[in-house]
Amino acid sequence: GESVGLHLPTLSVQEGDNSIINCAYSNSASDYFIWYKQESGKGPQFIIDIRSNMDKRQGQRVTVLLNKTVKHLSLQIAATQPGDSAVYFCAETLRFKTIFGAGTRLFVKA
Amino acid sequence: SQTIHQWPATLVQPVGSPLSLECTVEGTSNPNLYWYRQAAGRGLQLLFYSVGIGQISSEVPQNLSASRPQDRQFILSSKKLLLSDSGFYLCAWSVRLAGGTDTQYFGPGTRLTVL
Repeated sequence: GESVGLHLPTLSVQEGDNSIINCAYSNSASDYFIWYKQESGKGPQFIIDIRSNMDKRQGQRVTVLLNKTVKHLSLQIAATQPGDSAVYFCAETLRFKTIFGAGTRLFVKA
Repeated sequence: SQTIHQWPATLVQPVGSPLSLECTVEGTSNPNLYWYRQAAGRGLQLLFYSVGIGQISSEVPQNLSASRPQDRQFILSSKKLLLSDSGFYLCAWSVRLAGGTDTQYFGPGTRLTVL
């Protein structure tokens, strides 16, 4: 899978506010979804995942919501901190084939 | 626990020179291995993936090749680099689990600049 040729959309939030990063996925049959965080100059890091038989999953300060009706995935970050500044990618998997979204750059203002 | 290594971390090469980037994984057996390229400010482009030793699938035609000489070693090569080969190269591994999950875990990346 690939997502190329697109400049990243950006989201700017105030420190302490909640952030919501959205992703539209492509295949209604996709059965597993992942959010990654990529800091500048580093490889993407796994944040949280969700299977298609769920619509919400919570981690530490992060929540992923899945709306299969409209093929939409979102990542909510509570009490956003400067260390959350990064590019966030969603990924969808169908039968072991993974497709990555274009990514969203999150800026956290102090 | 599993770890993935890539080297070198940064590389500056002249146009026309050869390339060899290495990726190794520890702590798992028979992983799927992947090479991605990421242009500045852009998403991930899958270049190659491998499901076993000597098994390489190419996703896009290009100036690069990949090899998997050992179970946990994945090498990205070129005989003659082009300016357009510049980018951030990421290696990833995954292990397919029952139930359809195949989470990919990424290495630290190699920043390649071709001058």
